[in-house]
Amino acid sequence: DAKTTQPTSMDCAEGRAANLPCNHSTISGNEYVYWYRQIHSQGPQYIIHGLKNNETNEMASLIITEDRKSSTLILPHATLRDTAVYYCTPSGGSNYKLTFGKGTLLTVNP
Amino acid sequence: KAGVTQTPRYLIKTRGQQVTLSCSPISGHRSVSWYQQTPGQGLQFLFEYFSETQRNKGNFPGRFSGRQFSNSRSEMNVSTLELGDSALYLCASSPGQGAYGYTFGSGTRLTVV
Repeated sequence: DAKTTQPTSMDCAEGRAANLPCNHSTISGNEYVYWYRQIHSQGPQYIIHGLKNNETNEMASLIITEDRKSSTLILPHATLRDTAVYYCTPSGGSNYKLTFGKGTLLTVNP
Repeated sequence: KAGVTQTPRYLIKTRGQQVTLSCSPISGHRSVSWYQQTPGQGLQFLFEYFSETQRNKGNFPGRFSGRQFSNSRSEMNVSTLELGDSALYLCASSPGQGAYGYTFGSGTRLTVV
């Protein structure tokens, strides 16, 4: 399984951009990078995924380095409700599973 | 549309008993996965089913089993419960083919006493 490394915690001021990094240097060529977040005691929520190109949706943007060994999730205007644990997880091919690490606890401060 | 539904939400069982948890995926989703979440081990993959076939299995003992029905609904069973099985059990569904994000349910909180 591809291993991921994320900061244990990060802080962000409300209204500012939150940039969450993830290192996935052992990612396979056919694996996508998925990002999820989990608010306390709820099920994880899908945010975004990408293979090679940068991606954007209504929730966030995903920047993947050219060598695919790392990525950054960007929440453009963080709100208090974005306080959660954020996970990046490579998945794809014949894997059919998500491998979660410890994730990053993002705290958005007023 | 309705999300992933897991029942029951909470469950208390005694050591040695068995338990069955249920998951109804989003309509049209053919893949159902199960995860166990504990404070010590975090989120761990149990198994994944697609069209009634198990496509992948995590590193859990044989006491943990699952199945999927023709309507894509899934159940997981844990036999001979141990205290360490106390956890939040999460079910997730996806279309099953192609690169799609999984939609998770709210989970079943199992407490073994």
